[in-house]
Amino acid sequence: DVKVTQSSRYLVKRTGEKVFLECVQDMDHENMFWYRQDPGLGLRLIYFSYDVKMKEKGDIPEGYSVSREKKERFSLILESASTNQTSMYLCATKGRGTTEAFFGQGTRLTVV
Amino acid sequence: SQKIEQNSEALNIQEGKTATLTCNYTNYSPAYLQWYRQDPGRGPVFLLLIRENEKEKRKERLKVTFDTTLKQSLFHITASQPADSATYLCAGTPSSGSARQLTFGSGTQLTVLP
Repeated sequence: DVKVTQSSRYLVKRTGEKVFLECVQDMDHENMFWYRQDPGLGLRLIYFSYDVKMKEKGDIPEGYSVSREKKERFSLILESASTNQTSMYLCATKGRGTTEAFFGQGTRLTVV
Repeated sequence: SQKIEQNSEALNIQEGKTATLTCNYTNYSPAYLQWYRQDPGRGPVFLLLIRENEKEKRKERLKVTFDTTLKQSLFHITASQPADSATYLCAGTPSSGSARQLTFGSGTQLTVLP
C-alpha cells in the first residue's frame, strides 16, 4: 500500500512565522503535489514536483515555496504566514504514467 | 481556464436509494475522470476512474458514466448506506503522462439518512 505521511495533523502558527509542512512517501513516485482545500473552493494546486529538485507552480503559488531534495520528501514552506493561509493542506503523490493520486491525511493549519 | 464543476454542494438521500452525483467539465477535454471519497479531516481516497472512450464503469455498488457530448460524468451509489456518507470529489486529468493535473471539483457532500 502506498503511504503518504504528512508531518502534522494540526498546526497553529502566528502571523509572520515561517512554516514548514513536510510530506514523505514510500512508493518511489516521481510526482508530488501540494494542495490547499477550502470550503466551496475545492482542492487548489499550490506547487508540484515531477522529479528531485524540479518544481512547477500550480494555480495559487503566491506566498509559498517548496523543496524537493530527495525523491521521497516534498516540503511546503510558508515564508511569512498570514491569516488567509489558514486552511487544510494536502500532499499527494502519483507515479509516472499512472493516473491515480494518493493523498496524505492532511494538515489543518491555523494562522493566528 | 479548465474547470471541473460539481453542481450540488450537498445531497441528502434515504438509505437504500441510489445516490447520483454530477460532475461537469468546461474548457478542456479530460482523457480521464476520477472519483474520490473524502471523510471529514482526512485526505481523499481514490474510488474509480473512467476513460473518455468508456461509457460506463462499475465497481461493486458504484457506477460511473462519462458523456463527452454533455461534458459530464455521473457517479451512482446504489443501495446506499449511512456509511457512504462522505464528500465525493470529481477530478479530470488530460492524460496519464501528465504530471501537472488533476483538476478537482469542489465536491458534493452526501448524507445517507437511516
